[in-house]
Amino acid sequence: GENVEQHPSTLSVQEGDSAVIKCTYSDSASNYFPWYKQELGKRPQLIIDIRSNVGEKKDQRIAVTLNKTAKHFSLHITETQPEDSAVYFCAASKGSGGYQKVTFGIGTKLQVIP
Amino acid sequence: KAGVTQTPRYLIKTRGQQVTLSCSPISGHRSVSWYQQTPGQGLQFLFEYFSETQRNKGNFPGRFSGRQFSNSRSEMNVSTLELGDSALYLCASSLAAGGADTIYFGEGSWLTVV
Repeated sequence: GENVEQHPSTLSVQEGDSAVIKCTYSDSASNYFPWYKQELGKRPQLIIDIRSNVGEKKDQRIAVTLNKTAKHFSLHITETQPEDSAVYFCAASKGSGGYQKVTFGIGTKLQVIP
Repeated sequence: KAGVTQTPRYLIKTRGQQVTLSCSPISGHRSVSWYQQTPGQGLQFLFEYFSETQRNKGNFPGRFSGRQFSNSRSEMNVSTLELGDSALYLCASSLAAGGADTIYFGEGSWLTVV
């Protein structure tokens, strides 16, 4: 089955700096890669996703890049703010429905230091 | 539109007991999946139901079971509870099964086994 590795497990940055979280996946058939943010005591929420027909997607200060050849994708947060402090999960799936499933990474705890 | 609703939010059980957790998906969503979240283990997939049928199952012992009703509401049951079952149990719903569509999480049920 699919295996998703995520690193680093913890990341501390100064407010205003950039943060990068990287994930690798094992199944070359995976083509849907969502990212979730989970604030302390709250539910994970989708912040951005990318499908395999694009290499990069941006939404304000957040961007995700995908390298299908290397089977890795990354989350980039620019101009970090204290409210970006949370646990971030990457995930991968074939996106084809049916009997597939979404496989999550282990999570990255991001701390933005004011 | 109401989000994914889970009950109960918090519960304490004794080893050997059994527990049932409930999940009401977003209206119109027919897929419900369950995850176990523990520190350092990320989001571990338990199972997914779509139209009352189990579509996929994670690597958990048979003590973990679930079901889905005709109104798409779902329950999961854990029998013969062990201390290691203490975790946050997250339910998620989506329009389509198998990772073909965005999944939305509930707030979770915090289970403590003593």
